[in-house]
Amino acid sequence: AQSVSQHNHHVILSEAASLELGCNYSYGGTVNLFWYVQYPGQHLQLLLKYFSGDPLVKGIKGFEAEFIKSKFSFNLRKPSVQWSDTAEYFCAVNGPLSGGYNKLIFGAGTRLAVHP
Amino acid sequence: GAVVSQHPSWVICKSGTSVKIECRSLDFQATTMFWYRQFPKQSLMLMATSNEGSKATYEQGVEKDKFLINHASLTLSTLTVTSAHPEDSSFYICSAPTGDTQYFGPGTRLTVL
Repeated sequence: AQSVSQHNHHVILSEAASLELGCNYSYGGTVNLFWYVQYPGQHLQLLLKYFSGDPLVKGIKGFEAEFIKSKFSFNLRKPSVQWSDTAEYFCAVNGPLSGGYNKLIFGAGTRLAVHP
Repeated sequence: GAVVSQHPSWVICKSGTSVKIECRSLDFQATTMFWYRQFPKQSLMLMATSNEGSKATYEQGVEKDKFLINHASLTLSTLTVTSAHPEDSSFYICSAPTGDTQYFGPGTRLTVL
């Protein structure tokens, strides 16, 4: 079965610091990869997604992620975080081992706190 | 982007009662919807796949008789927590795909006393 690992459970940064959140998925052939964000009290929102093509994907709000197939990784990055980036970030994957390309398997999430 | 709504946003009920949660795709049709459960400070766990016009598909370990799912139309799926107990207290989230992206509802917080 498909699984997703997010190694950083809790990250604390100061404003303007750079961010990188790790995400690794178990092998499963061709997969689609996603990063979702959940701001306090709000629903999940899609930050970015990778299906194919350029492994460096740019999303909303200045976020980007790089797909490295050899490492089964899809790390999320932002060069300079803001206080408003305080949220929980979830990596997700779908593919043949997740039960289909509509079925998302989520990582445990990373709680990011940005201090002014 | 597409919008998915849920109702109610929060509900408190007594142990032993049943609670119905609605999930609607507001501006698109969804033959499939998904129901997740999120425990505090934890990730989303997929509970079941709701299929319009057919039975729902439940993930391993999810009691189908406890969590009844009905996909009544192309824009509505309902989750009924039957004979709720305090351990069913949680945050329930639905999602619906359109194109290659899933859109999530705002969630329903269920508290069973």
